[in-house]
Amino acid sequence: GAGVSQSPSNKVTEKGKDVELRCDPISGHTALYWYRQSLGQGLEFLIYFQGNSAPDKSGLPSDRFSAERTGGSVSTLTIQRTQQEDSAVYLCASSSVDTQYFGPGTRLTVL
Amino acid sequence: DQQVKQNSPSLSVQEGRISILNCDYTNSMFDYFLWYKKYPAEGPTFLISISSIKDKNEDGRFTVFLNKSAKHLSLHIVPSQPGDSAVYFCAASERSGGSNYKLTFGKGTLLTVNP
Repeated sequence: GAGVSQSPSNKVTEKGKDVELRCDPISGHTALYWYRQSLGQGLEFLIYFQGNSAPDKSGLPSDRFSAERTGGSVSTLTIQRTQQEDSAVYLCASSSVDTQYFGPGTRLTVL
Repeated sequence: DQQVKQNSPSLSVQEGRISILNCDYTNSMFDYFLWYKKYPAEGPTFLISISSIKDKNEDGRFTVFLNKSAKHLSLHIVPSQPGDSAVYFCAASERSGGSNYKLTFGKGTLLTVNP
């Protein structure tokens, strides 16, 4: 497929466990973004990767959240010691110039 | 503090009529505005954008109007079609400030177009 893909599509975990969410951007896109959408809210910026530059992590809500992008392609968002307030849809996007193309998201539920 | 506000959580219109979705912003540094459409279980899809140097941008049935003095923008869809039924998100960024990548989104408006 030509679009942004994310896995898993759904993840249910217990409070205190760690989770990893994966994003495969569109091939050739140098920029990659993570957002999350909590229930009834708009999308909230989390982190931005651009090429080999240092990522902008200013949107990460706490130090339990981290993300990496290996080889300038695939990205993994890791949430350690999950809390119930982490429950949300986590969306990844990529872009080559300006327009951000979004994946379908991962719905995370923390019990 | 919400910097991008979509005060109408939902809107219902008849097929063939005009849909008008509104968005207000508070950050005067925003200079680039976008509308995204989202269907259930899918990611948002880019629809149309406008730079602050313009007050109108049109693409087929979709037109975005920007009123900088009022910090208000609107998306007009005419004629509305049942397939337009989706959640519409308004988003903004500070292009000139070098943060063009960081989009700030509103909470969205659910548009329902009735046949």
